[in-house]
Amino acid sequence: AQSVTQLGSHVSVSEGALVLLRCNYSSSVPPYLFWYVQYPNQGLQLLLKYTTGATLVKGINGFEAEFKKSETSFHLTKPSAHMSDAAEYFCAVSKGAQKLVFGQGTRLTINP
Amino acid sequence: GAGVSQSPRYKVAKRGQDVALRCDPISGHVSLFWYQQALGQGPEFLTYFQNEAQLDKSGLPSDRFFAERPEGSVSTLKIQRTQQEDSAVYLCASSLTPQGNNQPQHFGDGTRLSIL
Repeated sequence: AQSVTQLGSHVSVSEGALVLLRCNYSSSVPPYLFWYVQYPNQGLQLLLKYTTGATLVKGINGFEAEFKKSETSFHLTKPSAHMSDAAEYFCAVSKGAQKLVFGQGTRLTINP
Repeated sequence: GAGVSQSPRYKVAKRGQDVALRCDPISGHVSLFWYQQALGQGPEFLTYFQNEAQLDKSGLPSDRFFAERPEGSVSTLKIQRTQQEDSAVYLCASSLTPQGNNQPQHFGDGTRLSIL
């Protein structure tokens, strides 16, 4: 069975600092991997996805993630945090069945 | 509209009542998904439609939960004899084609269901 573990339910960084949100997955075959962002009282918005090809994936709003098969990781980064990045972030995996399996989420807080 | 539309946005019901939640997917999207998101948790899969066919309902927590998509567009999630543990945000998502996982799922803003 697929599963996703997000390390750290809360992450707090200063404005302008590096953002690093960690995600590890468990899958018997190479999966498809996604990062979604959720603002309060809203649905999920796709930030980026990895399917095949280049392991460094660039997404919207300056975010990127690197697929590391040897570490079964798909960590999300952004070089410089902005106040508008404060939200809940979800890592998700799918494998053939199309349904997404989500992690527990990481709440990102940006300190001025 | 351009996005996935869900209604109502908020629903309060008394324990034991039946509720119906509606999802209007993006026009032309073949695949439709329902997820349940408990407070402070990630969304969990409930069921999946390809056009009008319900191909996967493995995530429905009990036989009180029923979903349909009779004409392959609008979908309704019905919960009978609601219980307090049904309180959650119910998210609907649609994607363009059923083939492959390159197609992203587009999410609605959800229906927040509170059972008193």
